[in-house]
Amino acid sequence: AIQMTQSPSSLSASVGDRVTITCRASQDIRNDLGWYQQKPGKAPKLLIYAASSLQSGAPSRFSGSGSGTDFTLTISSLQPEDFATYYCLQDYNHPLTFGGGTKVEIK
Amino acid sequence: EVQLVESGGGVVRPGGSLRLSCAASGFTFDDYGMYWVRQAPGKGLEWVSGIFWNGGDTGYAQSVKGRFTISRDNAKNSLYLQMNSLRAEDTAVYHCARSTESGFEGAADCWGQGTLVTVSS
Repeated sequence: AIQMTQSPSSLSASVGDRVTITCRASQDIRNDLGWYQQKPGKAPKLLIYAASSLQSGAPSRFSGSGSGTDFTLTISSLQPEDFATYYCLQDYNHPLTFGGGTKVEIK
Repeated sequence: EVQLVESGGGVVRPGGSLRLSCAASGFTFDDYGMYWVRQAPGKGLEWVSGIFWNGGDTGYAQSVKGRFTISRDNAKNSLYLQMNSLRAEDTAVYHCARSTESGFEGAADCWGQGTLVTVSS
């Protein structure tokens, strides 16, 4: 199975900060990667698909980049509602695999 | 409005069985592959299983292979997960999710709220 290594596992940031989260795949997954946001007690929400395409309804401050093995989620200006846990998911082949998650907390 | 509603969770003893259901509405169910994803208490997300739009192919995480079976009934707009030989480590909230593709290799763009399965003696 493809392993997804996500970093950092947690970070503290202030409203207005630029935040970057990375995922590294154990093999080439082309651009078959998505980013998800999850708030406590809620289902995950898709933010980015195909590495860099913004999901309908997701705010434009979220962006994704990368291909092959290295991927990045960027939040250009952190808003209060963005404090949550973020996961990457490779959908290149099955079994699909998630990164370990990044908890974004208020500084 | 796209909606996925899971049911069938509960408390079961180790070695027992449970069948989860997911009722889909608001979209053409048989156009999409479907997934089950779980989250153990305080832990991250784990993809459990996926199924093609027509049920013609399925996939499983190694942790559940041989114990869990995914299926679907397109006439009833429903997805299922039969879970046998349950273990304590299967305790989790189980979500169904829709794939963006007709197979099971696509992003998960819609999610249900989940149903809690607790395996305990």
